[in-house]
Amino acid sequence: SQTIHQWPATLVQPVGSPLSLECTVEGTSNPNLYWYRQAAGRGLQLLFYSVGIGQISSEVPQNLSASRPQDRQFILSSKKLLLSDSGFYLCAWSSRGSGELFFGEGSRLTVL
Amino acid sequence: GENVEQHPSTLSVQEGDSAVIKCTYSDSASNYFPWYKQELGKRPQLIIDIRSNVGEKKDQRIAVTLNKTAKHFSLHITETQPEDSAVYFCAALPSGSARQLTFGSGTQLTVLP
Repeated sequence: SQTIHQWPATLVQPVGSPLSLECTVEGTSNPNLYWYRQAAGRGLQLLFYSVGIGQISSEVPQNLSASRPQDRQFILSSKKLLLSDSGFYLCAWSSRGSGELFFGEGSRLTVL
Repeated sequence: GENVEQHPSTLSVQEGDSAVIKCTYSDSASNYFPWYKQELGKRPQLIIDIRSNVGEKKDQRIAVTLNKTAKHFSLHITETQPEDSAVYFCAALPSGSARQLTFGSGTQLTVLP
């Protein structure tokens, strides 16, 4: 069966520090991969999606970036965090041709 | 692109009563409509979905209906229980090669004991 893991689960970072969140999917190949952000009490904002290695589409211009160095690995990064980057970050995957989206456990980021 | 509107934003019901959450979508070519449940501090989880060739789908106490003509779909929860309290998101999947789920803004459901 397919599983998705993301880490770290929680982190507290100072303003201006870098960020790296990692996500991996097991049990499937060629997945579509996504990063979402959810501010407290708010909806799901799509940040990036990828249909293949090295292929990244950005939905929202910001100081975040994403990379897909391997088929089942998706990384969210920032060189300098802002207070507004605080939130709940969710990695997700779907198989090609299917609409079903499966989320990782989430990473709660607090920027101080 | 697709636009999904979800109502109400908050809903309180007494335990045992029914709850209904409604969503409308704009792209008539959308063909897949999932519903997600997100408990506090947890990830959203798929609870039920419906495709455009079906008008209704049931799974125990939850059901989803789809009206393609009116471009709206609804989640129905019967015999609500306190553990049904969560945020519920609807979504729609447009047709085409670059397909991404478009989510509604969410409904906070509270089931009062």
